Amino acid sequence: QVQLVESGGGVVQPGRSLRLSCAASGFTFSSFGMHWVRQAPGKGLEWMAVIWYDESNKYYADSVKGRFTISRDNSKNTLYLQMNSLRVEDTAVYYCARDPSSTAAAGRGDYWGRGTLVTVSS
Amino acid sequence: EIVLTQSPGTLSLSPGERATLSCRASQSVSSSYLAWYQQRPGQAPRLLIYGASKRATGIPDRFSGSGSGTDFTLTITRLEPEDFAVYYCQQYVNSPSLIFGGGTKVEIK
Repeated sequence: QVQLVESGGGVVQPGRSLRLSCAASGFTFSSFGMHWVRQAPGKGLEWMAVIWYDESNKYYADSVKGRFTISRDNSKNTLYLQMNSLRVEDTAVYYCARDPSSTAAAGRGDYWGRGTLVTVSS
Repeated sequence: EIVLTQSPGTLSLSPGERATLSCRASQSVSSSYLAWYQQRPGQAPRLLIYGASKRATGIPDRFSGSGSGTDFTLTITRLEPEDFAVYYCQQYVNSPSLIFGGGTKVEIK
């Protein structure tokens, strides 16, 4: 069955960096677009970034553009989110989600991981 | 920029009752890209409805979606105990990006 498992979260100081991973299994990872979505404590969902199946296109929310980088390694069935210059307001649970389309044109997440918590605090 | 407004913020109902959740877009959107998710406490979101009215794999038929233009509705015909959760609507915009509504919490009355 489809499984997405995020890792890499933790406590980090403002201004520092962190890299999140999302390990995929149970489907042909290289055929699907992938999203990162976050949820601040007690708040709603906020889309962060999307990457096409072949890494040819990547798009970001304005709130993280220039600071976060989405990438993938199809040989390792793994999605990444490199987060630089972290801010207190980046504190959230970060979820990876699969898009049913290779180019994320379906515009939804049909399978989600359980998330990894990132806490930015001094 | 499209904004999705969900109402009510909280819906207090009893098991077996019908739940009607609203999602209103600030401008007309494509129903092909309107989705609904359920999020139980401490869990990841789960896709319920896509294309405004199509049930995702494994979703019971007590969940249904409808609407077009700016007004969309998620209906749960008979609430089961596991249905008490937060529900989000979501729209895909050709930025590309995903936009989420603020959520409706369905709680036990």
